[in-house]
Amino acid sequence: AQSVAQPEDQVNVAEGNPLTVKCTYSVSGNPYLFWYVQYPNRGLQFLLKYITGDNLVKGSYGFEAEFNKSQTSFHLKKPSALVSDSALYFCAVSRTNSGNTPLVFGKGTRLSVIA
Amino acid sequence: ETGVTQTPRHLVMGMTNKKSLKCEQHLGHNAMYWYKQSAKKPLELMFVYNFKEQTENNSVPSRFSPECPNSSHLFLHLHTLQPEDSALYLCASSLDRGDIQYFGAGTRLSVL
Repeated sequence: AQSVAQPEDQVNVAEGNPLTVKCTYSVSGNPYLFWYVQYPNRGLQFLLKYITGDNLVKGSYGFEAEFNKSQTSFHLKKPSALVSDSALYFCAVSRTNSGNTPLVFGKGTRLSVIA
Repeated sequence: ETGVTQTPRHLVMGMTNKKSLKCEQHLGHNAMYWYKQSAKKPLELMFVYNFKEQTENNSVPSRFSPECPNSSHLFLHLHTLQPEDSALYLCASSLDRGDIQYFGAGTRLSVL
């Protein structure tokens, strides 16, 4: 079975500083990896995904994520944080072989960007 | 706007009421999902439908009854709920089960 771990419940960063939100995964076979963001009273919004190819994936709003197979990680990054980036971030994984499986989400990491 | 619409946005119901949540997508997706999101808890996958057939039921109590009449519509029928069922209920759809999921804005449910 696949699983996702987001080890930090909360990440605080000053505006203008780089941010990282951590994610590690466990899956048999090749993973599809995703990041989503959730603003208050809204559904989850897709940010980016990794399927294959370049390990550095670029997504919406200046976010990027790096796939590291040896460390089974898919950390979300942004070079310069904005106050408007404050939200709840979810990492997700699905398994690609033996038929696609629904996404499994991590528990979420709350990002607070302080002006 | 994600293309997935949920109604109502807010719902307050008593424990003896019967109500239904509605989800609609016109993205041409084949898979639809119901999730429960409670404060301080991880996102819980409740049901998965693929081509109108239920493919997953994650030990959800029978007081929650899903219905998928066609690939564009998904309902969650509620009856005799408990206060602990109060949560944000999210609907999502995807082209295939392992694909990007697009979420609705959710229904905030309060059970009194």
